[in-house]
Amino acid sequence: NAGVTQTPKFRVLKTGQSMTLLCAQDMNHEYMYWYRQDPGMGLRLIHYSVGEGTTAKGEVPDGYNVSRLKKQNFLLGLESAAPSQTSVYFCASSYASGSPYNEQFFGPGTRLTVL
Amino acid sequence: KNQVEQSPQSLIILEGKNCTLQCNYTVSPFSNLRWYKQDTGRGPVSLTIMTFSENTKSNRRYTATLDADTKQSSLHITASQLSDSASYICVVSATNFGNEKLTFGTGTRLTIIP
Repeated sequence: NAGVTQTPKFRVLKTGQSMTLLCAQDMNHEYMYWYRQDPGMGLRLIHYSVGEGTTAKGEVPDGYNVSRLKKQNFLLGLESAAPSQTSVYFCASSYASGSPYNEQFFGPGTRLTVL
Repeated sequence: KNQVEQSPQSLIILEGKNCTLQCNYTVSPFSNLRWYKQDTGRGPVSLTIMTFSENTKSNRRYTATLDADTKQSSLHITASQLSDSASYICVVSATNFGNEKLTFGTGTRLTIIP
């Protein structure tokens, strides 16, 4: 049981380049999330998904796109990277909401630098 | 605007000592409060989740308290170990019409020195 995994772990991009971050979970969770973590700020939600084939915008969605073609995978895309997107990106997953004890499980993170 | 504020920003204590981290929040409508531990270079890991009716919850050497009236929570760490060195993040959940929104604090960076 690997939990939540993310690839790649590190990446350096030039401004304008594109890339896709992959998140995979093996816990059969319905919900999946993408966050970014910046120095001096709390984690901020970029996009989330409540099930296969669904996506929704979070707090800071601009410049990102997502897809959830399979229940276990959640992809985060940057079409034209900007230096402001330099951050650590975390994927998380959880069972469907309903219980106040519903826990989000986080992946190890992807450190992205945009030059 | 929902906010979660944590104090102190950073803390250094000797191994074996106790410490208390604070969390104040203005989140509505309140659903639950969570404490996460984040080791350097890793993702956050849940320590406790507390609902409105829970005042105290323990997980090994970690004890969280919640005062929903004053909108304050604390995380007490007993007999600290070197492995407790990490960032501790307070997260408050608001649920509105079935939609849950988490507000994350910026964390307290705890360093345990031998």
